[in-house]
Formats: sequence, structure tokens, C-alpha cells
Amino acid sequence: GAGVSQSPSNKVTEKGKDVELRCDPISGHTALYWYRQRLGQGLEFLIYFQGNSAPDKSGLPSDRFSAERTGESVSTLTIQRTQQEDSAVYLCASRAQNQPQHFGDGTRLSIL
Amino acid sequence: DAKTTQPPSMDCAEGRAANLPCNHSTISGNEYVYWYRQIHSQGPQYIIHGLKNNETNEMASLIITEDRKSSTLILPHATLRDTAVYYCIVRVNFGNEKLTFGTGTRLTIIP
Repeated sequence: GAGVSQSPSNKVTEKGKDVELRCDPISGHTALYWYRQRLGQGLEFLIYFQGNSAPDKSGLPSDRFSAERTGESVSTLTIQRTQQEDSAVYLCASRAQNQPQHFGDGTRLSIL
Repeated sequence: DAKTTQPPSMDCAEGRAANLPCNHSTISGNEYVYWYRQIHSQGPQYIIHGLKNNETNEMASLIITEDRKSSTLILPHATLRDTAVYYCIVRVNFGNEKLTFGTGTRLTIIP
């Protein structure tokens, strides 16, 4: 069946540009997460959406980062005025109630 | 979430059982043991989880000691596609929504 889909799979951009990353969760999954993974490191939580509740934004590293989700569908993560330290793989996960998280393969973001 | 300790790397011959240990001596009574893996250039993949009884699914078996201070993930017949980093975490079941991984065990399956 269809898994979590992320696009683009790779993104190279210049420092200072804005980028938008997209996540299509598994249909019917009410919860959606964004994580960041720097090279050779573990997961860094960014933001969590659960249904119509206010999102948990406690992991966003700065106000340059924002995310939206419309209902229980697509989510976008936006990074404004990108910096070189933003280079990482950005992972999206979704889950149904009382089920484990399922991850996409991520967007590899490189800031030149 | 309780801290876990895993060996940084392991090798296993193709076709043999891969046994990956995890220590979680400070686990609380309501915390489950979860295993995920991450194959190169892919997102993490859920494998299995358990509370105190041994568990088995189509991917693996999970053996948890009686005192729950350690566990072992068993891949019964390892294939080259099982080469990955394996993460053991402990957490309240489907609670504490933020999933965090340590450095895990890099398992290499040898042909």
C-alpha cells in the first residue's frame, strides 16, 4: 500500500533562499510529525500535528521554520532565509491512533 | 523516556540469526521496548515492540528479560537487505509523541 510520500527527494538551494518541503501522509493517519536528521546523527523532533488540535511546535529551532497541515492531509514545512546549518534530511512520519509511526524517505536539503 | 545502551556495530553472516542486544536498566513499569531500523538513505522503519512478554512478527522476534532491564532483537535469517542501523528505544506506549533515537547499532550482514 501507499506509504508516506515526501517531495522533493533532494533539494539544493543557495543560502538565504526559502524552501518548501511537502509530506503526503498515509491516508487516514491523524498524526503527522516532522523531524530533522543531520548526517550521522539521530532524529531531532521539529513539529507534531494531531487532528484539529493546535500543533506542538516545541522542536522548531527558530522562527525561520514553520509548518502547516490542512485537516488530516498534506503538510508543508517551510524554511525561510536558509542557512548552511539547515542542511540535513527532513523526515516526515504519520501514524494512526495507537499505532507506530511510519516514515517517509525524507528530503535531503543542501544549502550552498 | 529511559536511556538505552547498544553496541555501536555488529557483523552477522548472511543466513544466520542476528541477535542485537539492548540495555535499558532504568526502564519504568509503563514503558515499552521499541525497535526501529534505518537502511541507508531511507526513513526509519518500525520493526517490533513489547512490554514484558516475548513478541514475534513477520520481521523479527523480541526477547525481553524477566527483570525488563535488557532485551534482544532477533532477525532469524539475516539477508543482505537487513544491513542497517538498528535503534532500541523505550517509551510509554504511543505516548510522548516525540520519537528520539540514540546512535543505535550498525548491523552489517556479510555475504
